Amino acid sequence: AQKITQTQPGMFVQEKEAVTLDCTYDTSDPSYGLFWYKQPSSGEMIFLIYQGSYDQQNATEGRYSLNFQKARKSANLVISASQLGDSAMYFCAMREALTGGGNKLTFGTGTQLKVEL
Amino acid sequence: DVKVTQSSRYLVKRTGEKVFLECVQDMDHENMFWYRQDPGLGLRLIYFSYDVKMKEKGDIPEGYSVSREKKERFSLILESASTNQTSMYLCASSPDWLSNQPQHFGDGTRLSIL
Repeated sequence: AQKITQTQPGMFVQEKEAVTLDCTYDTSDPSYGLFWYKQPSSGEMIFLIYQGSYDQQNATEGRYSLNFQKARKSANLVISASQLGDSAMYFCAMREALTGGGNKLTFGTGTQLKVEL
Repeated sequence: DVKVTQSSRYLVKRTGEKVFLECVQDMDHENMFWYRQDPGLGLRLIYFSYDVKMKEKGDIPEGYSVSREKKERFSLILESASTNQTSMYLCASSPDWLSNQPQHFGDGTRLSIL
């Protein structure tokens, strides 16, 4: 069974600093995908970034980048130049392909990030 | 933009009631999902569906059922609501054919069972 671990329940970062949110995973499937979502206090889940297991380069999307270390089974999210609006819960998730088609996600428990002045 | 709409943001029901949570997506996605979110536990998959009238159990299906009569609509049913089903419920959808496509989520329903 797939498993996602986020060991940091809460993190603080100063505005304009970079922050790394940790995510490790466990799977026996050679083909998988890793997603990061942001959930502000309003509750909606916002997709941030995706990394496929066969992707040669680390994914980047604006201020978000994914530090993908396949051998260590880690997929840490790096947020550069933190902003107050980055304060939110962040979830790491792993895609599992289904035999009948499609896929499902397994989520970690999340990291609550607070950006301070 | 993909739009996933959940019928209620907040809902209060009594124990023993039959509760319906509705979810509609407008992007013709094959896959639809129901999760519940509890503090410290992240999102846990209740049920999912990869086609009309098809349903699969997720990780925590006990006490729930689902219905998918039309492609765009996926309903979660609490047959006899109990207080331990007080939670945030999130619906999501995704296309079938591109595995790197993210799931798109609704805004969630905060359900309280009294």
